[in-house]
Amino acid sequence: QQQVKQSPQSLIVQKGGISIINCAYENTAFDYFPWYQQFPGKGPALLIAIRPDVSEKKEGRFTISFNKSAKQFSLHIMDSQPGDSATYFCAAYDNDMRFGAGTRLTVKP
Amino acid sequence: NAGVTQTPKFRVLKTGQSMTLLCAQDMNHEYMYWYRQDPGMGLRLIHYSVGEGTTAKGEVPDGYNVSRLKKQNFLLGLESAAPSQTSVYFCASSYGEGSLPYEQYFGPGTRLTVT
Repeated sequence: QQQVKQSPQSLIVQKGGISIINCAYENTAFDYFPWYQQFPGKGPALLIAIRPDVSEKKEGRFTISFNKSAKQFSLHIMDSQPGDSATYFCAAYDNDMRFGAGTRLTVKP
Repeated sequence: NAGVTQTPKFRVLKTGQSMTLLCAQDMNHEYMYWYRQDPGMGLRLIHYSVGEGTTAKGEVPDGYNVSRLKKQNFLLGLESAAPSQTSVYFCASSYGEGSLPYEQYFGPGTRLTVT
């Protein structure tokens, strides 16, 4: 039973558009919520992370929005580019990391 | 600086065979991890180590054993492979206590098929 639920499974966005990936969790003991990016044939790499006492964190074109009361968080990729095409995993950390199932993002030129 | 490396990259096993996957890191990280990645399941933690000579079970440890005899190496063993262990295996490492615990560095993965 997955502790972090991620949606959608796949996403197609036009170049310049906004990509939005959503995650939900149940365990309120989680104290960090990172996002990882994985390109085909590579291992995941840390993209951005947020703590539950912060509602939003922005790094360049990537923004995490966090809703503690709803136990949900999301990744927004602004001005999406073909180079952003990858699989994105949300995760939640409390002594160990629990990953969502992943979202395959395709950005069409 | 190679980061995290994994050996081998690909392997095909018959049911019942054994093998060892090797992970090495050159970042002087204290913590190391083994994950498996399956379609629709994300990554799931198999075993981890918080230092040389220590290991602990993760979310899906059954059928696997690990050893960390040297700080830079973390070995994952399958004693009697089963088709359910067909997966992509990732090793990761992190600095350890006092650092950002979610900041893990992943290797390129080993694709294992058990027939």
